[in-house]
Amino acid sequence: DAGITQSPRHKVTETGTPVTLRCHQTENHRYMYWYRQDPGHGLRLIHYSYGVKDTDKGEVSDGYSVSRSKTEDFLLTLESATSSQTSVYFCAISEGGNTGELFFGEGSRLTVL
Amino acid sequence: DAKTTQPNSMESNEEEPVHLPCNHSTISGTDYIHWYRQLPSQGPEYVIHGLTSNVNNRMASLAIAEDRKSSTLILHRATLRDAAVYYCILRSGGSNYKLTFGKGTLLTVNP
Repeated sequence: DAGITQSPRHKVTETGTPVTLRCHQTENHRYMYWYRQDPGHGLRLIHYSYGVKDTDKGEVSDGYSVSRSKTEDFLLTLESATSSQTSVYFCAISEGGNTGELFFGEGSRLTVL
Repeated sequence: DAKTTQPNSMESNEEEPVHLPCNHSTISGTDYIHWYRQLPSQGPEYVIHGLTSNVNNRMASLAIAEDRKSSTLILHRATLRDAAVYYCILRSGGSNYKLTFGKGTLLTVNP
């Protein structure tokens, strides 16, 4: 299995509080991604990174920010959590290339009350 | 990104072959066809990918139409463990290799 861990795995928080989810990899892959998954919507890309300090927005980036200060860590921050951000969040890593697989973490379930 | 169309759900019986279809009529010449699956309560996992020729691996086979506008993921003998959501995705190098997932096909395997 690819060395990718997400933390925390479960979190309950209140509306308006900041939340940071961490994705840590031991594979030295260049690309890292944050997806969210909601019933009826499938997986949607929030932000991704193509190198240290190189990030870009995905299809549902509003209300989220990311940082990647080193290869192994990709942080997803909700500056002020809202109930609409209740979701399961998945991190993924990839070496890149048209044939490069994405390896996914086990997911972080976030509930915003 | 070019879009794919998959049936919302399919059913199969255990130990029978399963053919999961995917339409991608707007595929470009450089798009690779990738398949992932997501088991209950887990993150997606890679299954197989191809460009033009049919592909086989230990998990499945991928049959690609000659005009590349459709493809079929083949599970040769379905097991209960194959019950999952299967995603057909097109991947091109001009998008920082990010994958856009649709809603996939929910495969139910009956014992």
